[in-house]
Amino acid sequence: NAGVMQNPRHLVRRRGQEARLRCSPMKGHSHVYWYRQLPEEGLKFMVYLQKENIIDESGMPKERFSAEFPKEGPSILRIQQVVRGDSAAYFCASSPSYRGRETQYFGPGTRLLVL
Amino acid sequence: AQTVTQSQPEMSVQEAETVTLSCTYDTSESDYYLFWYKQPPSRQMILVIRQEAYKQQNATENRFSVNFQKAAKSFSLKISDSQLGDAAMYFCAQNTGNQFYFGTGTSLTVIP
Repeated sequence: NAGVMQNPRHLVRRRGQEARLRCSPMKGHSHVYWYRQLPEEGLKFMVYLQKENIIDESGMPKERFSAEFPKEGPSILRIQQVVRGDSAAYFCASSPSYRGRETQYFGPGTRLLVL
Repeated sequence: AQTVTQSQPEMSVQEAETVTLSCTYDTSESDYYLFWYKQPPSRQMILVIRQEAYKQQNATENRFSVNFQKAAKSFSLKISDSQLGDAAMYFCAQNTGNQFYFGTGTSLTVIP
């Protein structure tokens, strides 16, 4: 059973460009979570999705950030018009059941660098 | 609001010795889960150990064990017989509802 997969592992963008981060959950998991880790900090929750639904986006910045988890394909975290402050590691996690009370299994992360 | 506090930014331990990493949390929930994750230089988040709040017995996974004090809202991690491969950032996390709340981490150095 493959683990959570994220791609790309490293992404470099210039200010004003768009960043698209992809996450494929573990097989059998229908709950996906996105977290951001700034340098020297812990992970901060951004958004929780189930297939085709955003359940909780309370940690997502109101502008420029969006997330989706379509019926088919990976979950996508999209950052429009990136700024230097968006440079961070973005982690995706998945769990098999409701409300995330099960352990969340993390992907290897995508390191975004905005020049 | 849920908060998780790790008061030790850095810790070190001699190889083969025992070290304890501290974590306190704050929640008004009665049903929650607590976790320790390890983040080595590769930055992959690896689950170390998990504790259900309704269980009084402390969780144990091989060389890793926890001291869970529910009334004090304390959840420390003990690593016995430390190995060089244990060197990493360790994050304490609490799960309530949809979210995990993470502490700021403790950087563990293992001295040969």
